[in-house]
Amino acid sequence: DNQMTQSPSTLSASVGDRVTITCRASQSTGSWLAWYQQKPGKAPKLLIYRTSNLESGVPSRFSGSGSGTEFTLTISSLQPDDFATYYCQQYTSYPLTFGPGTKVDFK
Amino acid sequence: EVQLVESGGGLVQPGRSLQLSCPGIGFTFGDYAMGWVRQAPGKGLEWVGFIRSKAYGGTTEYAASVEGRFSISRDDSRSIVYLQMSSLKIEDTALYYCTRLRPPTNDFDYWGQGTLVTVSS
Repeated sequence: DNQMTQSPSTLSASVGDRVTITCRASQSTGSWLAWYQQKPGKAPKLLIYRTSNLESGVPSRFSGSGSGTEFTLTISSLQPDDFATYYCQQYTSYPLTFGPGTKVDFK
Repeated sequence: EVQLVESGGGLVQPGRSLQLSCPGIGFTFGDYAMGWVRQAPGKGLEWVGFIRSKAYGGTTEYAASVEGRFSISRDDSRSIVYLQMSSLKIEDTALYYCTRLRPPTNDFDYWGQGTLVTVSS
């Protein structure tokens, strides 16, 4: 299985901060990686697909980069609506696997 | 507007069966692969499986943890995807999300709100 890890597991930040979350895969995923945002009590929402493509309607402060086994999600200026848990997911190979999540909370 | 609305969750005893349903609204259902992702209470996301569209053979893929116990099927005439769960275990307790997989990348571009399955004696 292609195991996904994320760091940090929790990130405390303030509105306006630049935030970076790292996702690492145990095997190369090429560019087949997505990022999801989940708020408490809500379903996950697709933010970025194929490493760096912004899903329609997602604010441009979100961006993704990387390749192979290391990827990053960056929020350029954290907004109040961004406090949530973020998951990466690879879809290169089965089983499809998610990272354990990074919770972004208030500093 | 795309909508996925899961139903069929509930309390079930270990070893029993349960079927979840998820109608898809607002898109050409038959053109898309459909999947299931679950989330145990307070935990992260776990992929359960998916079924390809008929154009890609309508075949299925499953996580090892459910292979042989869970089965995904679809009725394109009714725009519904099903998750048949049998030999349920306590560790299957989770919120089950229905998802749409967008071709060709197969990322999960739409999610339902989830239906809770609790396996307990």
